Amino acid sequence: DGGITQSPKYLFRKEGQNVTLSCEQNLNHDAMYWYRQDPGQGLRLIYYSQIVNDFQKGDIAEGYSVSREKKESFPLTVTSAQKNPTAFYLCASSVYHGNTEAFFGQGTRLTVV
Amino acid sequence: AQTVTQSQPEMSVQEAETVTLSCTYDTSENNYYLFWYKQPPSRQMILVIRQEAYKQQNATENRFSVNFQKAAKSFSLKISDSQLGDTAMYFCAFMKHSGLRRLDSNYQLIWGAGTKLIIKP
Repeated sequence: DGGITQSPKYLFRKEGQNVTLSCEQNLNHDAMYWYRQDPGQGLRLIYYSQIVNDFQKGDIAEGYSVSREKKESFPLTVTSAQKNPTAFYLCASSVYHGNTEAFFGQGTRLTVV
Repeated sequence: AQTVTQSQPEMSVQEAETVTLSCTYDTSENNYYLFWYKQPPSRQMILVIRQEAYKQQNATENRFSVNFQKAAKSFSLKISDSQLGDTAMYFCAFMKHSGLRRLDSNYQLIWGAGTKLIIKP
């Protein structure tokens, strides 16, 4: 089945540690996105990638990093510089950046302990 | 900058009733898209319905329909004959029209804060 797979579903991190969230898609989509979701707020864009080997900062990129070495994969690293990393993270993809249909993964819940 | 506002943090209705979720937005663009997404307890975001601003006809998808008022910048979602499976967070979102697939950073979804909808048996 085609879709987006995020792993792990739950992730715990100690303060001061970097952690990487995985996002893989087999939809052959060019564009991929990372969003952060906090209670009572809409989704906020962290990073996006329009094509392989390219990525752009979103509205809240500080403390995060990404790579796009393969079309299928867009991992997100939450670094120790992110002051409040506890949140729900959603990955999405679309055929191209600006296409009106985005497909989402099931998310990763990151908790700092 | 575009903004999206959902003024109802939570709503609940009885099964089989009709419910309307509100959304207002602010933009200076003339051509854009509006969306309603559903996030059930599984947390996966699912597209419910999409409206193109230049189309005057309101979009419908089975039990889901919208009331798009461009001049008022209002985009409400009506769910008819509500079902228990409609229980979810509902998000309204905006996106500028992307034209001919230009590589432009502004073609991102702008999201409202969401409305939690509970369908009671």
